[in-house]
Amino acid sequence: KQEVTQIPAALSVPEGENLVLNCSFTDSAIYNLQWFRQDHGKGLTSLLLIQSSQREQTSGRLNASLDKSSGRSTLYIAASQPGDSATYLCAVARGDNYGQNFVFGPGTRLSVLP
Amino acid sequence: NAGVTQTPKFQVLKTGQSMTLQCAQDMNHEYMSWYRQDPGMGLRLIHYSVGAGITDQGEVPNGYNVSRSTTEDFPLRLLSAAPSQTSVYFCASSYSTRTSYEQYFGPGTRLTVT
Repeated sequence: KQEVTQIPAALSVPEGENLVLNCSFTDSAIYNLQWFRQDHGKGLTSLLLIQSSQREQTSGRLNASLDKSSGRSTLYIAASQPGDSATYLCAVARGDNYGQNFVFGPGTRLSVLP
Repeated sequence: NAGVTQTPKFQVLKTGQSMTLQCAQDMNHEYMSWYRQDPGMGLRLIHYSVGAGITDQGEVPNGYNVSRSTTEDFPLRLLSAAPSQTSVYFCASSYSTRTSYEQYFGPGTRLTVT
């Protein structure tokens, strides 16, 4: 059974710092990995999608990497801003018959202090 | 495109009552799914569908029914609400391809069962 963990559970940093969020998964047979942002009491916003054949994806100040062999992904946020404060979730698409179902990690709650 | 829409946004039920959570998407996605999100447990898959007329169970299907009569709609039915079903429910959709599974989420329905 695929299990996804995220470290740390919570993180508080001053504005301007670069930071790394970690995601680990137990089964390397994945189709892709997706990072989401969730603001308090809101829905999920997709940030980056990394397909299993890719090693990283970049969007603005965000960079996500994927190492399938070690079962790890990292989300790097450069020059953090108070507006980045949210919970960040990673999810892996399982390699089952349909290859569609995501397993989510519990999230990292990020607070960026002004 | 409106994307993925969900109604209602909030709902309070009494134990034993039934109701249907609505989900619709206008992106012509084959794949749709329902998740519940509980504190400290992340998102868990309830049911999913890979196309009209095809549904299957996820990780936590007990107490819920689904049907998929059209590509656009995927309602979730609570047969006899229980306090354990108090949660936030998210609907998601994506294309059914084996190269990319980026999922798009609705804004969620916050359900309280008393």
